Amino acid sequence: AQTVTQSQPEMSVQEAETVTLSCTYDTSESDYYLFWYKQPPSRQMILVIRQEAYKQQNATENRFSVNFQKAAKSFSLKISDSQLGDAAMYFCAYTRIGGATNKLIFGTGTLLAVQP
Amino acid sequence: DAGITQSPRHKVTETGTPVTLRCHQTENHRYMYWYRQDPGHGLRLIHYSYGVKDTDKGEVSDGYSVSRSKTEDFLLTLESATSSQTSVYFCAISASRWETQYFGPGTRLLVL
Repeated sequence: AQTVTQSQPEMSVQEAETVTLSCTYDTSESDYYLFWYKQPPSRQMILVIRQEAYKQQNATENRFSVNFQKAAKSFSLKISDSQLGDAAMYFCAYTRIGGATNKLIFGTGTLLAVQP
Repeated sequence: DAGITQSPRHKVTETGTPVTLRCHQTENHRYMYWYRQDPGHGLRLIHYSYGVKDTDKGEVSDGYSVSRSKTEDFLLTLESATSSQTSVYFCAISASRWETQYFGPGTRLLVL
């Protein structure tokens, strides 16, 4: 069974600094997508970034970028120039392509605090 | 933002009572999903739908049923609520099977 592991329950970063959140996953599949979702105190789940496993190039969205290491099954999220609004719970998620369901498998989350 | 609403947003109920949560979308997306979020577990899939009247089970479907009579609405029913079903419930939608899922605002359910 596929699993997603986020080993950092909590992280803290100073405003304007850079922080990296870790995620590892376990799968025997070769085709899949990986995601980072952000959940602020409002509880809304917001898509941050998506990575297709067949793409070697790391995805980037403004201040958010990933380091996708397929062989190591690692998918970390880097937040540059951290802002107070980045404070949230961040979830890493995986979905297999071609399975019976488009089921997102989530990690347990990393709570990011941003210090002014 | 994807047009997804959930109702009610908060609900308190008693053990043994039936509860129905509603997810409504204005995006005309084919796929809809129900997840629950619990501390230490992230989000887990309860049921999903791949079209009107087409539904299937997720990994934590026991005690839940769903229905989808219209493209825009996906209902989640707890036939007889238990305290273990106290959770935050999220609806999600996607345009096609492998497209990104977008989430609704969530419903906080407390079963006493």
